[in-house]
Amino acid sequence: KQEVTQIPAALSVPEGENLVLNCSFTDSAIYNLQWFRQDPGKGLTSLLLIQSSQREQTSGRLNASLDKSSGRSTLYIAASQPGDSATYLCAVRANNLFFGTGTRLTVIP
Amino acid sequence: EAGVAQSPRYKIIEKRQSVAFWCNPISGHATLYWYQQILGQGPKLLIQFQNNGVVDDSQLPKDRFSAERLKGVDSTLKIQPAKLEDSAVYLCASSLGEIRVSGTAYEQYFGPGTRLTVT
Repeated sequence: KQEVTQIPAALSVPEGENLVLNCSFTDSAIYNLQWFRQDPGKGLTSLLLIQSSQREQTSGRLNASLDKSSGRSTLYIAASQPGDSATYLCAVRANNLFFGTGTRLTVIP
Repeated sequence: EAGVAQSPRYKIIEKRQSVAFWCNPISGHATLYWYQQILGQGPKLLIQFQNNGVVDDSQLPKDRFSAERLKGVDSTLKIQPAKLEDSAVYLCASSLGEIRVSGTAYEQYFGPGTRLTVT
């Protein structure tokens, strides 16, 4: 069964810092990997989706990479802002969508 | 384009009571999913519909949970009777389909969720 792990579970950084969130998965037979943002009490906002044939995707200050063979993905956030504070979830699409437990990010002004 | 709609947004009930959640997917989306997200965890798939047929309900606690998607559009998820451990956010998602002919998977779009508290 696919298992998705996210490290760290929580992260606090001062505003302006660049940061990296990590995601690992146990089965490399995936269609894609997706990063979501979740604000407290809210639903999921899709940030980036990387197809299994791709190595990375970029959107604004966000860059996500995928190394399917090693079962790893990273989400890089440049020049962090207080508005980036949220929980970030990684999910891999196999026969179903399997989620990690998330990294709770706090950006301190 | 309107997103996935869910109601109610919040619900508080006592244990052993029943509750129902409603989801309206994005227009034209054939596939609909219900997820359960317990506090501090990632969402877990409960049931998946393709049009009005069930594709996967292997993780649905069928002794107390039921779901239907009549006419292949809106869906309802019901819990009867509720237990304390059912306290969670229930997320609905939809997609155009499952897997494209090209072999890539369609993206899922999520609604705002319903937060259920069972006391």
